[in-house]
Amino acid sequence: NAGVTQTPKFQVLKTGQSMTLQCAQDMNHEYMSWYRQDPGMGLRLIHYSVGAGITDQGEVPNGYNVSRSTTEDFPLRLLSAAPSQTSVYFCASSYLLSAHRGRLGTEAFFGQGTRLTVV
Amino acid sequence: DQQVKQNSPSLSVQEGRISILNCDYTNSMFDYFLWYKKYPAEGPTFLISISSIKDKNEDGRFTVFLNKSAKHLSLHIVPSQPGDSAVYFCAARATTSGTYKYIFGTGTRLKVLA
Repeated sequence: NAGVTQTPKFQVLKTGQSMTLQCAQDMNHEYMSWYRQDPGMGLRLIHYSVGAGITDQGEVPNGYNVSRSTTEDFPLRLLSAAPSQTSVYFCASSYLLSAHRGRLGTEAFFGQGTRLTVV
Repeated sequence: DQQVKQNSPSLSVQEGRISILNCDYTNSMFDYFLWYKKYPAEGPTFLISISSIKDKNEDGRFTVFLNKSAKHLSLHIVPSQPGDSAVYFCAARATTSGTYKYIFGTGTRLKVLA
């Protein structure tokens, strides 16, 4: 079972460069999200999506763009990397809360993370 | 403004004893709470959860307690094992209009001593 797959695992960028962090899930989850983890800051929500074509901002969205063209993929784009974006990035997916499914639990499945360094 | 707080960055416990990890929150609209466990170089993995309509949920060695009036939840691990050594994050869900966000705490590093 692949679950949530993130690529790459490690990346070094120069200030001003752009790149895309990839995230794919094979569990047919509607909800996908991106977090960054920094020392002493926990996991902070960057962007999230409740389905294809729908995205919204989290706690720290500045400097990042996302799109959701398919249910499976949710790439995170850094348009002009800055040293402040040095972090570990995690993608997560889960079922969307739905009265029809009667699903109370919407625990997220996380990818392995991408360690990004901006120099 | 940190809506979910884990005030203890680290905790050391002897093997076989109880580990108690604490979490406080400020938003009374949170309706669901979760604990995740994270090992180095891995993504967080779900551990246990509790709905805001309950005050206790138990799963094997893990029990989560929720005190809504105090806006406080805790995770009890009994007995603690060396393999429990990890960073533990609590998370709270805010639900609006059929969608939701998870807000995470800063984490507590648990070390279980053999």
